[in-house]
Amino acid sequence: NAGVTQTPKFRVLKTGQSMTLLCAQDMNHEYMYWYRQDPGMGLRLIHYSVGEGTTAKGEVPDGYNVSRLKKQNFLLGLESAAPSQTSVYFCASTPGLFYGYTFGSGTRLTVV
Amino acid sequence: GDSVTQMEGPVTLSEEAFLTINCTYTATGYPSLFWYVQYPGEGLQLLLKATKADDKGSNKGFEATYRKETTSFHLEKGSVQVSDSAVYFCALSDLEGGSYIPTFGRGTSLIVHP
Repeated sequence: NAGVTQTPKFRVLKTGQSMTLLCAQDMNHEYMYWYRQDPGMGLRLIHYSVGEGTTAKGEVPDGYNVSRLKKQNFLLGLESAAPSQTSVYFCASTPGLFYGYTFGSGTRLTVV
Repeated sequence: GDSVTQMEGPVTLSEEAFLTINCTYTATGYPSLFWYVQYPGEGLQLLLKATKADDKGSNKGFEATYRKETTSFHLEKGSVQVSDSAVYFCALSDLEGGSYIPTFGRGTSLIVHP
């Protein structure tokens, strides 16, 4: 059982480039989330999804887009990367709000 | 809205010392409460949870009791090890608040010296 898999694990982008981060879960979870983690800032929610085909904005959605075309996948896109988007990105999923969350191992993104 | 407040870190202890990390919360409804642990370079892992008042969650020697009267969920361990060095996050989920978004504390770093 792989759980939550994030790809890639590391990436360096130049300012203005675009990329997509993939989150895949094999647990049939309904809810999926994208967070960023920066030193001293804790976890900040970017976007989330409460089911296949749905997405919603979180606390810091600007500069990001998401899609959930299949239940098991939640994609995070950066259309035009900025140095302020240098961060560690975590995906999480859960079958319901009272079960706890399964997190991926993270994607460390550097924008230069 | 809902919120979670954790004690500021880092918490620095010697091996075999007693650990307490304080967590208090505010919630609109009747939340479920969680502790997560994050080891260096890794994602968060669910450590323990409690879903109703007076429930005690426990795992790997860690314990936390859901105290509704004091809106607290403090994490404790009787004897810490160097391998417990990590960042610990308190969190809640509150469906009655009408939100699908969990609320996390800012995290408390624990450093255990041999």
